[in-house]
Parts: sequence; structure tokens; C-alpha cells
Amino acid sequence: EDQVTQSPEALRLQEGESSSLNCSYTVSGLRGLFWYRQDPGKGPEFLFTLYSAGEEKEKERLKATLTKKESFLHITAPKPEDSATYLCAVQAGTGRRALTFGSGTRLQVQP
Amino acid sequence: NAGVTQTPKFQVLKTGQSMTLQCAQDMNHEYMSWYRQDPGMGLRLIHYSVGAGITDQGEVPNGYNVSRSTTEDFPLRLLSAAPSQTSVYFCASSYDTTDTQYFGPGTRLTVL
Repeated sequence: EDQVTQSPEALRLQEGESSSLNCSYTVSGLRGLFWYRQDPGKGPEFLFTLYSAGEEKEKERLKATLTKKESFLHITAPKPEDSATYLCAVQAGTGRRALTFGSGTRLQVQP
Repeated sequence: NAGVTQTPKFQVLKTGQSMTLQCAQDMNHEYMSWYRQDPGMGLRLIHYSVGAGITDQGEVPNGYNVSRSTTEDFPLRLLSAAPSQTSVYFCASSYDTTDTQYFGPGTRLTVL
């Protein structure tokens, strides 16, 4: 059974204080690992897809990395507008191809 | 492009009532799916469709029905609402089963 565990559950940072969010996973044949951002009352917004260990992707202050067991979302010099819940999901290479989600990390960046 | 749209945004039902949550996309995506999101839990797959006329069950299908008569629309039907179905429901779509899934804004459902 595919599983995704995200840590920490919640994280409070000061503006400019860099940190990392963790996503540990077990999946039978990883097809892709996805990061989404979710604002309160909104649907998940796509950020990144990572396909293989060693891959990295960047977007503004965010950088996602992938190993065979986990992914990290690094946030460099965050701003208050980065406050959101960050969701990690994996997709297996076979079967339903559905996304298996973690429960998310709630990030708050204070000015 | 409007992307993925969902109606209604909010709904309150009494136990035993039925209703349909609407989902539409204008991106010509073949793959569509329904998830529910509950506090402290990740999004869980209810039903999905790989194309018009083809649907299948996800992780938590009990109490829900779907059909896919067109590429654009994928409604989710609650047959007899129960308090355990109180949740936020998201529809998602992608070009195919291997492409990135894009989510709608969600429907917040409360069953009393």
C-alpha cells in the first residue's frame, strides 16, 4: 500500500528564515512525486513534479528535491505570502494511477 | 480557459437526502477524479474516470456514484447522505493518467 508522511505538521517561520519540509514515501514503482500548495478555502495548486532520485526543481523561493525514500521542499528567505499548506503526493507507475497524498504541512510566515 | 469548475461551493444536507456535486473542465482532459479532504487526513480518491463512458472506484467509493457521459463533465452523486460524508470535495483533471492533475476550488458539504 502506498503511503506518504509529511513533517512537521505545522511550521512557523519568521520572514527571511529558511527551512525545509519533509515528505517520506513508500510506493510500488514511483511514477512521480508531486508538490501542491493549498490556501485556505481553495483547491490544491500545482507546484512541482519530480520523477527520479536526484532530480531538483525550483520556482522562486521554493526548491524541491527527491531521493529514493523522501522529498524535501526547501523554502529560502520566505515571505508572508508563502504561508499556506503544502501537500505532497505520490503516483505509482501501475494500477489506478491515483495520487496518494500526505496530510500536509501548514506553514505560517510571520513578518 | 476556466480550468476545473465545481458547483455548488457550499451545501448543507439532512441525513438521507441525495444530491449531485458538479464538476466540469474545459481543457479536453481525459482523466478526471473526485477526492475528499478531511481534517488531519490527506486527500482520498473516491472515483475516477479515464475517459467518457469509463469510470472506476477509488479508495473510498461507498455511498457515492459517478458517471461520465461527456469528456467535460464528471458529476458525483450522493445517494443517501450520511454525517460521515461531511467533508470538502475536490474534482481534478489531467490530460491522461500520467499527466499532472489540476484541481477545482472544492465543494464544502455538511450533512446534519
